[in-house]
Amino acid sequence: GAGVSQSPSNKVTEKGKDVELRCDPISGHTALYWYRQSLGQGLEFLIYFQGNSAPDKSGLPSDRFSAERTGGSVSTLTIQRTQQEDSAVYLCASSLSAGHSSGYTFGSGTRLTVV
Amino acid sequence: RKEVEQDPGPFNVPEGATVAFNCTYSNSASQSFFWYRQDCRKEPKLLMSVYSSGNEDGRFTAQLNRASQYISLLIRDSKLSDSATYLCVVTQDTGRRALTFGSGTRLQVQP
Repeated sequence: GAGVSQSPSNKVTEKGKDVELRCDPISGHTALYWYRQSLGQGLEFLIYFQGNSAPDKSGLPSDRFSAERTGGSVSTLTIQRTQQEDSAVYLCASSLSAGHSSGYTFGSGTRLTVV
Repeated sequence: RKEVEQDPGPFNVPEGATVAFNCTYSNSASQSFFWYRQDCRKEPKLLMSVYSSGNEDGRFTAQLNRASQYISLLIRDSKLSDSATYLCVVTQDTGRRALTFGSGTRLQVQP
């Protein structure tokens, strides 16, 4: 597709369950970011992938969070044993490369609600 | 000190007004600069890149001052549809956590 695709768009899960969020970046984009945004707050960096380099995981809030990017394309963010404080909108963005002048395109996000 | 700082606002301006936002960044190695807008409960969307020489896109003008480490966004002839949160984004091309967002400045244009 022409844009960044994220699925599901909404996810309600029970506390303690695992969830998996998916991001399909724009074809050919080598840089991929995961952010999360709580209601009324700014974007919180989670993880960054650039090509085949080791990802920058410095933003992951705990070891319950993990992400992978297969074949340099699709990425999945997994949250294990979800907690209520994990409730947020999880946004994925991709770019031709880090810092590229064309900027970063965001998906419409996955709204996660942990009950 | 935050890496990227913005005045959260809100800026309440009447239609037709000119409004300016500033954003300061702390890392002198920052390479690329952008302004994004984010509407309520929507994803951020690229408004414009910011170049050293300054650049204009219709009613929007962006400026970069590397010496003082700030960027600005000027909106002329504000429209109701300009109401949104404006996010300053700074990157370093080192490959490590290259995309840093400010917390945003909220603009409300009133009729």
